[in-house]
Amino acid sequence: DAGVTQSPTHLIKTRGQQVTLRCSPKSGHDTVSWYQQALGQGPQFIFQYYEEEERQRGNFPDRFSGHQFPNYSSELNVNALLLGDSALYLCASSLFLDRAGNTIYFGEGSWLTVV
Amino acid sequence: DQQVKQNSPSLSVQEGRISILNCDYTNSMFDYFLWYKKYPAEGPTFLISISSIKDKNEDGRFTVFLNKSAKHLSLHIVPSQPGDSAVYFCAARAYDKVIFGPGTSLSVIP
Repeated sequence: DAGVTQSPTHLIKTRGQQVTLRCSPKSGHDTVSWYQQALGQGPQFIFQYYEEEERQRGNFPDRFSGHQFPNYSSELNVNALLLGDSALYLCASSLFLDRAGNTIYFGEGSWLTVV
Repeated sequence: DQQVKQNSPSLSVQEGRISILNCDYTNSMFDYFLWYKKYPAEGPTFLISISSIKDKNEDGRFTVFLNKSAKHLSLHIVPSQPGDSAVYFCAARAYDKVIFGPGTSLSVIP
């Protein structure tokens, strides 16, 4: 049973470019959340997708957008990259009805470096 | 505005002793609190959680205590083992959004 898988694992982009990160949730999960973790900080919530719709959003600009597909996989898109967007991007999958948070599983993340 | 705070960036404990990791929060609407453990080059893994209506939850060597009046929770690890060395994130959940603290790096010295 595959857990949460993310791709690519590492990538380097130039300032101003656009990037797409991908996530496949754990089998049986229906909700995908994206987090940004800068060096030395905790993960910061970007947004959450359920039933192909954005349900919750953190304090991130519109340059950050996402999508969820019918198979529950998700993409995170970042436009007009800034140097400050360099971070580890984590995908978390869960069950929408899980209240205790016990079913939240994280992928290993995608390391984005903007130069 | 940091809603979940972990004021100790690092902690060192001798093997076999108790590790106590602290966390403070500001938002009264949080209904669940969670602890995650993260090794380098891996995503965070769920450790233990507690509902806001409880004051203690125990799972093996791990116990989480919640003091709602003080908006404070702590994670106790007894006895500490070298394999517990990792970054520990305190997190809180409200309206399906999970907010993480900055983390505490625990080193368990053999």
